[in-house]
Amino acid sequence: SAVISQKPSRDICQRGTSLTIQCQVDSQVTMMFWYRQQPGQSLTLIATANQGSEATYESGFVIDKFPISRPNLTFSTLTVSNMSPEDSSIYLCSARDRLYEQYFGPGTRLTVT
Amino acid sequence: AQSVSQHNHHVILSEAASLELGCNYSYGGTVNLFWYVQYPGQHLQLLLKYFSGDPLVKGIKGFEAEFIKSKFSFNLRKPSVQWSDTAEYFCAVNPTGRRALTFGSGTRLQVQP
Repeated sequence: SAVISQKPSRDICQRGTSLTIQCQVDSQVTMMFWYRQQPGQSLTLIATANQGSEATYESGFVIDKFPISRPNLTFSTLTVSNMSPEDSSIYLCSARDRLYEQYFGPGTRLTVT
Repeated sequence: AQSVSQHNHHVILSEAASLELGCNYSYGGTVNLFWYVQYPGQHLQLLLKYFSGDPLVKGIKGFEAEFIKSKFSFNLRKPSVQWSDTAEYFCAVNPTGRRALTFGSGTRLQVQP
């Protein structure tokens, strides 16, 4: 199994600023993803983080707002840019191994004031 | 639109009662199916998964699920719930060819002692 850590675990940010969330996996994985979970709601896929190339974004999410990097097999970052209160959410890093099991990090709870 | 549906949004049971949570998906073709659990304040954990073979799969903590292809369903069951099963339960689907899991809306289970 893979263990995923995220930093920061939570943050309170002002409107108009940006926050970069880091995700580290303890083993090599094939795929990495970023999800958003609104309080009390389900998970929505933001994008697939591709190693060494641009991320693949889901409908409704764009690179300018959520730039993603994945410089190697075990590390990825998600930036939430030009934040507004509507971006307040939990952001989850996820990774899939060669057995097609998908693991989740503890999440980053973001509050935008 | 292709989707994952969990019709039970909030379930309240007494300890020792039997549990069945519904999950239906609308994807055609081969799918991989998962149930995840999120205990209060904790991150998502995999309960069980189905890729192929015996449609009745057993997971951790006494949970099981049955894949019924003709009904596009993957219902989660437990014969006797405990107070510690209080959590949010998510059904997820990985259709062949897609990269990431698509989640249902979740079911909040509350077990009363």
